[in-house]
Amino acid sequence: QKEVEQDPGPLSVPEGAIVSLNCTYSNSAFQYFMWYRQYSRKGPELLMYTYSSGNKEDGRFTAQVDKSSKYISLFIRDSQPSDSATYLCAMTQAAGNKLTFGGGTRVLVKP
Amino acid sequence: GAVVSQHPSWVICKSGTSVKIECRSLDFQATTMFWYRQFPKQSLMLMATSNEGSKATYEQGVEKDKFLINHASLTLSTLTVTSAHPEDSSFYICSAKPWASGAYEQYFGPGTRLTVT
Repeated sequence: QKEVEQDPGPLSVPEGAIVSLNCTYSNSAFQYFMWYRQYSRKGPELLMYTYSSGNKEDGRFTAQVDKSSKYISLFIRDSQPSDSATYLCAMTQAAGNKLTFGGGTRVLVKP
Repeated sequence: GAVVSQHPSWVICKSGTSVKIECRSLDFQATTMFWYRQFPKQSLMLMATSNEGSKATYEQGVEKDKFLINHASLTLSTLTVTSAHPEDSSFYICSAKPWASGAYEQYFGPGTRLTVT
């Protein structure tokens, strides 16, 4: 079993819809939770990070962490075709620098 | 700010030759740099962690004699794929961690696509 599980998709939504992404994990030591966006043949770009449990909002993006369920989510409101990309969740322990990535979810936003 | 570059962006080499990939932090000093490998439609797999001035720490299953990492300065790390074979063809991505930064802070380069013929 992988440490971090993420549905590979693809997830296809119409423009303007809410995109809902999630990851589950097994290591209770993870403290920092990140979401990255990766366009084809490009490096990942950090979208949001959250420490411990709770919600965080930044523009059209909302990240949620539920440590009791070992479940994290990313919501993208008012999705645009430019949001079409692969979204990767990543996690790290408080004292460590090593990131553990989920497999990534491919998202397609259709005009 | 926080820009990381990689060079080259794409390289084709013949089987048996060696290829060097550079990773540079352009506007910050990076005490730690990471090298990842990504196969098509798969996630990033950490290969090694390098700290400036010391030997790299390789992940289990990664051949350190094949993937040579040198972190010679606070802004430059290199990955050399020695005696490359077609199975080494992949997308190689580096990331850099700024000095005294939070656990979540890593900035990724644009990646290098290696094709071994």
